[in-house]
Amino acid sequence: GENVEQHPSTLSVQEGDSAVIKCTYSDSASNYFPWYKQELGKRPQLIIDIRSNVGEKKDQRIAVTLNKTAKHFSLHITETQPEDSAVYFCAASIDYNFNKFYFGSGTKLNVKP
Amino acid sequence: NAGVTQTPKFRVLKTGQSMTLLCAQDMNHEYMYWYRQDPGMGLRLIHYSVGEGTTAKGEVPDGYNVSRLKKQNFLLGLESAAPSQTSVYFCASMAGASYEQYFGPGTRLTVT
Repeated sequence: GENVEQHPSTLSVQEGDSAVIKCTYSDSASNYFPWYKQELGKRPQLIIDIRSNVGEKKDQRIAVTLNKTAKHFSLHITETQPEDSAVYFCAASIDYNFNKFYFGSGTKLNVKP
Repeated sequence: NAGVTQTPKFRVLKTGQSMTLLCAQDMNHEYMYWYRQDPGMGLRLIHYSVGEGTTAKGEVPDGYNVSRLKKQNFLLGLESAAPSQTSVYFCASMAGASYEQYFGPGTRLTVT
């Protein structure tokens, strides 16, 4: 099956700086890549996603990039704020089989005021 | 519109006891999932369902059973709980035409 690896496991940045989280995947058939944010004690929530026919997608301060050749995708958060502090998970899925999602191990982002 | 709900929120079991976790969604979603979340390991898929009356195994199905007798409910059963099943369990649902999973609030299970 698919194997998704996520780095770093923890990331500490100063408020206003940028944060980048990277994921790699093993199955070249994967073509849907969501990112989830999970605040402490809360449920994961989708923040952005990208499909393999797109190289980059942006939503305000959040962007995701995808390199299909290298089989990696990244989450970029600009102008970080303390409320961005949370655990972020990447995932991969194959849309003709999107009943299975494979998650990375998570990145704990700490934004220091 | 409650979204995805899970019952119970917390539970402590002794080794060998059984229990059922209930997931309910009111969004008429076709797909439903059960995940477990352990520290440093992300979310791992236990079982999933692509529609009423259907279930399938995920990555870590051993020790668990599921049923989806009604479209809105997805039950996760532990027949004989083991300490290795101590975890936070999340249910999720997804519409057939979209890729966004909606998660429930989670159930924290401790097996002693």
